Amino acid sequence: GENVEQHPSTLSVQEGDSAVIKCTYSDSASNYFPWYKQELGKRPQLIIDIRSNVGEKKDQRIAVTLNKTAKHFSLHITETQPEDSAVYFCAASGRGYSTLTFGKGTMLLVSP
Amino acid sequence: NAGVTQTPKFRILKIGQSMTLQCAQDMNHNYMYWYRQDPGMGLKLIYYSVGAGITDKGEVPNGYNVSRSTTEDFPLRLELAAPSQTSVYFCASSHGLAGETQYFGPGTRLLVL
Repeated sequence: GENVEQHPSTLSVQEGDSAVIKCTYSDSASNYFPWYKQELGKRPQLIIDIRSNVGEKKDQRIAVTLNKTAKHFSLHITETQPEDSAVYFCAASGRGYSTLTFGKGTMLLVSP
Repeated sequence: NAGVTQTPKFRILKIGQSMTLQCAQDMNHNYMYWYRQDPGMGLKLIYYSVGAGITDKGEVPNGYNVSRSTTEDFPLRLELAAPSQTSVYFCASSHGLAGETQYFGPGTRLLVL
């Protein structure tokens, strides 16, 4: 099945800095790559996603890039703010595209 | 719309006890999922359903059972609770295939002692 590796497991930045979280996947047939944000004690919520026919997607301060050849994708957050502090999960669709496989998560801490 | 709802919010079970975690959605979604989340381990898929009457195993199905008699409801059953099932359980739903947004419920925190 699909295997998703996520790095780093923790990331500390100063407010205003940029943050980058990277994920690799194993199944070349995967075609959908969402990112979820989970605040402490809350449910995961989708923040951005990308499909395999697109190399980059932006939404205000967040962007995701996809390299299909290398089988990796990344989340970029610019001008970080304290409210960006949360755990971020990447995921990839598996064979049959009925399910998602999640990475283990990255805890992002943005210090004022 | 209430979205995805889960009950209970928190439960303590003794080893060997049974319980059902309830999940319901009012978005008329075909796909529903159960995940467990352990600290530092991300979200692991337990079971999923692509429609009423159809269920399939995920990555970690042992010790659990599910049913899907209606589009709205997708209960998760623990038959003989074990300490290894201590976790936070999330139910999610999506309209279609994995290429569509999954909406998560608020979670159920389960402690097995």
